[in-house]
Amino acid sequence: DQQVKQNSPSLSVQEGRISILNCDYTNSMFDYFLWYKKYPAEGPTFLISISSIKDKNEDGRFTVFLNKSAKHLSLHIVPSQPGDSAVYFCAARISTGTASKLTFGTGTRLQVTL
Amino acid sequence: DAGVTQSPTHLIKTRGQHVTLRCSPISGHKSVSWYQQVLGQGPQFIFQYYEKEERGRGNFPDRFSARQFPNYSSELNVNALLLGDSALYLCASSQWTVNEKLFFGSGTQLSVL
Repeated sequence: DQQVKQNSPSLSVQEGRISILNCDYTNSMFDYFLWYKKYPAEGPTFLISISSIKDKNEDGRFTVFLNKSAKHLSLHIVPSQPGDSAVYFCAARISTGTASKLTFGTGTRLQVTL
Repeated sequence: DAGVTQSPTHLIKTRGQHVTLRCSPISGHKSVSWYQQVLGQGPQFIFQYYEKEERGRGNFPDRFSARQFPNYSSELNVNALLLGDSALYLCASSQWTVNEKLFFGSGTQLSVL
């Protein structure tokens, strides 16, 4: 039962254009959504997050949109740069008052071409 | 400031053996979580520890255990290794148990032959 899904295993975008990475989820109990970026031989690096009570969060070139009714979120990168080439993981958090855990999607490999 | 450090970076074991993986969190972080990432999949939650107490456990067999020490470092132990335990094991730290984000180490790549 995969609660967080990234249906596109890979995406290729030209430098300077917009990259849009998508993520779907099924569990309504998720209270925070996060995007992580991962380079080979490194651990995931936090990119941006959004609370479940918001619909948009922006940080520089990165914007995350949340559509709760559709249980869908997306990450927009504008403009895309070659250094953005990496695997991007969508993650969703469930928390109680004393504990939390992240559920990850399977990742989307972004290739930004010159 | 040093990030999350994990050791060893790579490890090769044979089936049936036992393994111990180590993690030092970012200074000031009291919570440590462990995740397993199998090739082609996203990381999967194994444990969360805070102040030496287990606060959460994922869907893993009892062969997996962990502990946290007074200095907030942590160990993940896996007994009776199976081929399917081959994976990247990631440690993540945060200040508290409920945080907006986790900081991950580079992981320990475990190969079981």
